[in-house]
Amino acid sequence: GESVGLHLPTLSVQEGDNSIINCAYSNSASDYFIWYKQESGKGPQFIIDIRSNMDKRQGQRVTVLLNKTVKHLSLQIAATQPGDSAVYFCAGETDSWGKFQFGAGTQVVVTP
Amino acid sequence: AAGVIQSPRHLIKEKRETATLKCYPIPRHDTVYWYQQGPGQDPQFLISFYEKMQSDKGSIPDRFSAQQFSDYHSELNMSSLELGDSALYFCASRVAGGYEQYFGPGTRLTVT
Repeated sequence: GESVGLHLPTLSVQEGDNSIINCAYSNSASDYFIWYKQESGKGPQFIIDIRSNMDKRQGQRVTVLLNKTVKHLSLQIAATQPGDSAVYFCAGETDSWGKFQFGAGTQVVVTP
Repeated sequence: AAGVIQSPRHLIKEKRETATLKCYPIPRHDTVYWYQQGPGQDPQFLISFYEKMQSDKGSIPDRFSAQQFSDYHSELNMSSLELGDSALYFCASRVAGGYEQYFGPGTRLTVT
């Protein structure tokens, strides 16, 4: 079936280093993706999005890369800070407009 | 800026009881989505509404029903609760024609 999934369940990063979180998707019809950050006990927080007609999009300290050929996207966080510690989800919009399919989250742990 | 509001934030029910969760979307957002997130899992799409009509249905049990009202708020009604219904329930909203989907803080339902 269709799926959006992450490669690594946990990522430990030293404060100040860059983080890279990867995500693979299987539905080639997905044309819009969002990265969410979820802190414990809170709702997913929108970080950055990308449409399939783009291969890169940059925000404040974050960059999303999309490789449609291999159906892979990544989230890069520059100069990771303790406040970046959270679970990160990628979500792809399925062929039913507006319904997102989430991948398994990656726990990012920032160490001093 | 106004965000998605959910109530209650926490709810404890016994098996076979009923529960009603409420969601108030961001002003001018006419599309509402409900997701269920089990412990350590990614959010799973349940159901969505656009302009007060059901627009899509996911893995929502028959014991659950939902609707969107004239003021665009939505309610998720859950009957014959089971232990396995214990989860975080998120509501997300989106404006028609827009891309970003914003999540509320969630309702934590505990069934004992």
